Amino acid sequence: GQQLNQSPQSMFIQEGEDVSMNCTSSSIFNTWLWYKQDPGEGPVLLIALYKAGELTSNGRLTAQFGITRKDSFLNISASIPSDVGIYFCAGRSVNAGGTSYGKLTFGQGTILTVHP
Amino acid sequence: DGGITQSPKYLFRKEGQNVTLSCEQNLNHDAMYWYRQDPGQGLRLIYYSQIVNDFQKGDIAEGYSVSREKKESFPLTVTSAQKNPTAFYLCASSMGDTQYFGPGTRLTVL
Repeated sequence: GQQLNQSPQSMFIQEGEDVSMNCTSSSIFNTWLWYKQDPGEGPVLLIALYKAGELTSNGRLTAQFGITRKDSFLNISASIPSDVGIYFCAGRSVNAGGTSYGKLTFGQGTILTVHP
Repeated sequence: DGGITQSPKYLFRKEGQNVTLSCEQNLNHDAMYWYRQDPGQGLRLIYYSQIVNDFQKGDIAEGYSVSREKKESFPLTVTSAQKNPTAFYLCASSMGDTQYFGPGTRLTVL
């Protein structure tokens, strides 16, 4: 099936630093989504991207839909302790049409630790 | 308050027992999904439903069953045939590609 490579697997940073993580796919995607998951909770949607080249911000978070449609990145600026958690990318491949409407492929997650 | 609810938050069952996890949404979304998450891992799709009275198997459907009798509800039954049922189960719903998740149910089989 489809696979997403998300990197890095984990990050340890100091409060105030900027963070960057990305996802790449072997196939073209129509949609890219970024989620954050706190321990023991469900993922929360951060940013949704629907068009190649699209750059979208949500507060200190910025995400881009790669121009090749095979990648996306998420940046967090001036990190704070509450940014700690697992960040997941997800997307829908152009091949996942028809009965796979809405069916997403998820990355393995990036574990972010922020030291005060 | 619109959203997705899952109950209970924690569930304990003895090996060999079937157990049903609840998922309800009041977002008027057509599609609903069940995922399984194991420690340190991503999400794996169990079943999904795009419309009432219709559902499809995901990547790891063996040992699970679902029903979709109402638009708002998509219960998941973990049967005794599921060899390793202890996990964190997440329900989601969507209108289009953007999925929204519930808070999850942690199932522990003793």
